[in-house]
Amino acid sequence: EVQLVQSGAEVRKPGQSLRISCKAFGYRFTSSWITWVRQVPGRGLEWMGRIDPTDSYVNYSPSFRGHVTISADKSTSTAYLQWSILEASDNAIYYCARGIAVDGIRWFDPWGQGTLVTVSS
Amino acid sequence: QSVLTQPPSASGTPGQKVTISCSGSSSNIGINTVNWYQQLPGTAPKLLIYNNNQWPSGVSDRFSGSKSGTSASLAISGLQSEDEADYYCAAWDDSLNGWVFGGGTKLTVL
Repeated sequence: EVQLVQSGAEVRKPGQSLRISCKAFGYRFTSSWITWVRQVPGRGLEWMGRIDPTDSYVNYSPSFRGHVTISADKSTSTAYLQWSILEASDNAIYYCARGIAVDGIRWFDPWGQGTLVTVSS
Repeated sequence: QSVLTQPPSASGTPGQKVTISCSGSSSNIGINTVNWYQQLPGTAPKLLIYNNNQWPSGVSDRFSGSKSGTSASLAISGLQSEDEADYYCAAWDDSLNGWVFGGGTKLTVL
C-alpha cells in the first residue's frame, strides 16, 4: 500500500527551529515529487513547495521561499520540512503529498496524515 | 485570497444534486487539468477527482468533474450525510510555476 507517514505534533517557542518528516512506503521514492501544503486551522490549503527526491531539486512557492527549507533523503525515503526561526504565524497543520505526473497530467495522491505545529511563547 | 475561486459554502438535502464551481485563469485551469480533493472533518485531504473528470480507485461515481475554459465544476449526486466535508479544487499554474488551490467549499447536508 502506498502511504506517507508524517512525524508527530510539535510544540515550539517563537524563534526556535524545527524539522518535521514525511516517510514514504509502498513505491519507489525517487519516482515522484513530494509536495508540502500548509493549512492554518479553519482555513484553506496553501501550496508551499515540492522536491524531486531524485536530485533534491526544490521548487518553492514565493510565499514560503526563504522561510522554510524542503529536503529529502533517498536512503530513507523521507522528505523534510524545516524552519530555522519559527514565528507565531507558523501555527498550522502541515501535509505532505505524493505528486504524480503521467503524460503531463498531475495530481497529489496520497496525502500524509498531517503534522500539527504549535508555536507559542 | 486564493488564486482559484470557489464559493465558501454549499448545501443540499439527502438525495439532491449539488454543484461546486472553481474559477481560474488562462495560466492555470485554462491550460492545465483540474483536481478535486475532499477533506472530511479532522482528516487529511483525499484525492476525489483528477485530470478534470477521472475517478481514483475507490471513489464513488456519485462524484463527477468537468472543465470548460477557465472554470471547473464538481457535481455530487445522490447527496449523503457522509458527503459533509470541505472540497478543494487545484491546478498547476504556469505563470506562478506552482500549484494553486481554491479557497475551499464547505458542503452541508441539511
